[in-house]
Amino acid sequence: AQSVTQPDIHITVSEGASLELRCNYSYGATPYLFWYVQSPGQGLQLLLKYFSGDTLVQGIKGFEAEFKRSQSSFNLRKPSVHWSDAAEYFCAVGAPHAGNNRKLIWGLGTSLAVNP
Amino acid sequence: NAGVTQTPKFQVLKTGQSMTLQCAQDMNHEYMSWYRQDPGMGLRLIHYSVGAGITDQGEVPNGYNVSRSTTEDFPLRLLSAAPSQTSVYFCASSWTGVDEKLFFGSGTQLSVL
Repeated sequence: AQSVTQPDIHITVSEGASLELRCNYSYGATPYLFWYVQSPGQGLQLLLKYFSGDTLVQGIKGFEAEFKRSQSSFNLRKPSVHWSDAAEYFCAVGAPHAGNNRKLIWGLGTSLAVNP
Repeated sequence: NAGVTQTPKFQVLKTGQSMTLQCAQDMNHEYMSWYRQDPGMGLRLIHYSVGAGITDQGEVPNGYNVSRSTTEDFPLRLLSAAPSQTSVYFCASSWTGVDEKLFFGSGTQLSVL
């Protein structure tokens, strides 16, 4: 069965420090991969997505993610965190080989706190 | 463009009451969906639609109805509210499906007493 795991429920970093949020998935082929961010009291916003091609994907707000097939991972990174990055981050997986573009599988999220 | 608009932002219901959560988008998206978000459970898909007149169930459809009479609107109906339906509800839309960017509304916080 397809699944998405975000191992870290909560992470705290200092402003200016680097960030890596982990995402692992279980799927028989290469899925669509997404990172969404949710600021407090808001809906979700797409940061970046991977479908195929270059395994290093650039997104908005200075974020990037790297797809590693051998590790079934799609970790999100940012070189220098800003206080405004404090939010909830969700990894999600779609299943193109099943011809299914109607449902995503969502991770439970990682809550990021940023210390000044 | 307003994007995805959800109303109301907050609602308190008594057990057994019915209500409709409104969702409208002005981007001519074919795909629309409803999620609920609960602490520790992430996002769970309730219902979705791939176009006017077409709806289907998600992971947690029980207790909810939807219809899609126009491209723009996708209301979610709670037939007889239960405390287990206390949650934050999000509407999301995209051009054709989840393989594209989903645009989310700002949510409706619902409490059922």
